[in-house]
Amino acid sequence: NAGVTQTPKFRILKIGQSMTLQCAQDMNHNYMYWYRQDPGMGLKLIYYSVGAGITDKGEVPNGYNVSRSTTEDFPLRLELAAPSQTSVYFCASSYSAGVAYNEQFFGPGTRLTVL
Amino acid sequence: GESVGLHLPTLSVQEGDNSIINCAYSNSASDYFIWYKQESGKGPQFIIDIRSNMDKRQGQRVTVLLNKTVKHLSLQIAATQPGDSAVYFCAERGNTPLVFGKGTRLSVIA
Repeated sequence: NAGVTQTPKFRILKIGQSMTLQCAQDMNHNYMYWYRQDPGMGLKLIYYSVGAGITDKGEVPNGYNVSRSTTEDFPLRLELAAPSQTSVYFCASSYSAGVAYNEQFFGPGTRLTVL
Repeated sequence: GESVGLHLPTLSVQEGDNSIINCAYSNSASDYFIWYKQESGKGPQFIIDIRSNMDKRQGQRVTVLLNKTVKHLSLQIAATQPGDSAVYFCAERGNTPLVFGKGTRLSVIA
């Protein structure tokens, strides 16, 4: 299993440009998540999905959009990129939130710079 | 709102010594508390979790302690090794899937 994969690894955007960060998992996890991590900080939840066709906002959703058309894929869309969106973006997945805590598996991250 | 914070941003420990990383939380309704390890350039990796109705849980070389009276969480690493050098995050599961703290950087001195 490849686990959680993210593309691209690095990207530089100009202010106002748009892009999609790709995330895929091959563990048949129903839950998927997008986080951003600013330098020296913890991760903040942007959006999450409990299954195909269902998405929910996290702590910092403004400026982002997501879709979940399949169990495997959870792309994150940035519209009108701003310098404040310069960050490292992590995608994660877990089998189920449920009652017990189920470990989230993280991808390697996408480092995005907006100039 | 929920918030998770850490007492110390950096911690240096001699190889072989025990490490203790602390964390404060504010949401009494959180049902799970989790520790993650993040090595440079990588995504976070799960270490251990503890349910809110427990006060101690042990794993391999790690122990998590939960003190709900003072809303404090700690991660103890026994016989710290160079491979333990990383940033450690506490996180809590409450109203949202996970809320992460800012992290503590652990440096192991050989």
